[in-house]
Amino acid sequence: EVQLVESGGGLIQPGGSLRLSCAASGFNVTSNYMSWVRQAPGKGLEWVSIIYSDGSTYYGDSVKGRFTIFRDSSLNTLYLQMNSLRGEDTAVYYCARCITIGGGFRYWGQGTLVTVSS
Amino acid sequence: DIQMTQSPSSVSASVGDRVAITCRASQGIGIWVAWYQQKPGKAPKVLIYAASSLQSGVPSRFSGSGSGTDFTLTISTLQPEDFATYYCQQTNSFPLTFGGGTKVEIK
Repeated sequence: EVQLVESGGGLIQPGGSLRLSCAASGFNVTSNYMSWVRQAPGKGLEWVSIIYSDGSTYYGDSVKGRFTIFRDSSLNTLYLQMNSLRGEDTAVYYCARCITIGGGFRYWGQGTLVTVSS
Repeated sequence: DIQMTQSPSSVSASVGDRVAITCRASQGIGIWVAWYQQKPGKAPKVLIYAASSLQSGVPSRFSGSGSGTDFTLTISTLQPEDFATYYCQQTNSFPLTFGGGTKVEIK
């Protein structure tokens, strides 16, 4: 059974850093397209980043240069390193897996809340 | 970046109604649209991909159509469990972008 479990969220001050984790089971993260999607409180969905099976990465405009997506094959875990955090980064962060990009995000975690505030 | 303009932002409907939600892309994206359903406090669930392909396990009352810039998600006969927020997403190019969402509420 495919399962994605995010962790690492919490309260962080503006300008700070946080690393989110997404532990996967039932499949291999390095063989799939893995992504992060976020949702600010009461708002819509915003795509954040994706990593391909070949290691290629892409980012949304609002996080480019501040966030880094990477994975650990030995732990079968996806990560999102978030630096220079801002208030507008406050959101529930979901990790998601897609079989193909065109197929959309078929599997999602439960999400982890990141709150950026002083 | 490709903008996805979704309408309406909300719709009030009754059980048994037919509901249509539209999404317009700011440029042509072929068939590369996915549709999601999200209930409060839950992760989204993909309903339709590649504009009209029904995700396995999704009821057949959900259907998608369109190509190029104009896309539609149709719920043929609204059921109580369909009251939720729906999002379109373009999967044609990066950055991937979502529509603003349509909340389907009980009339």
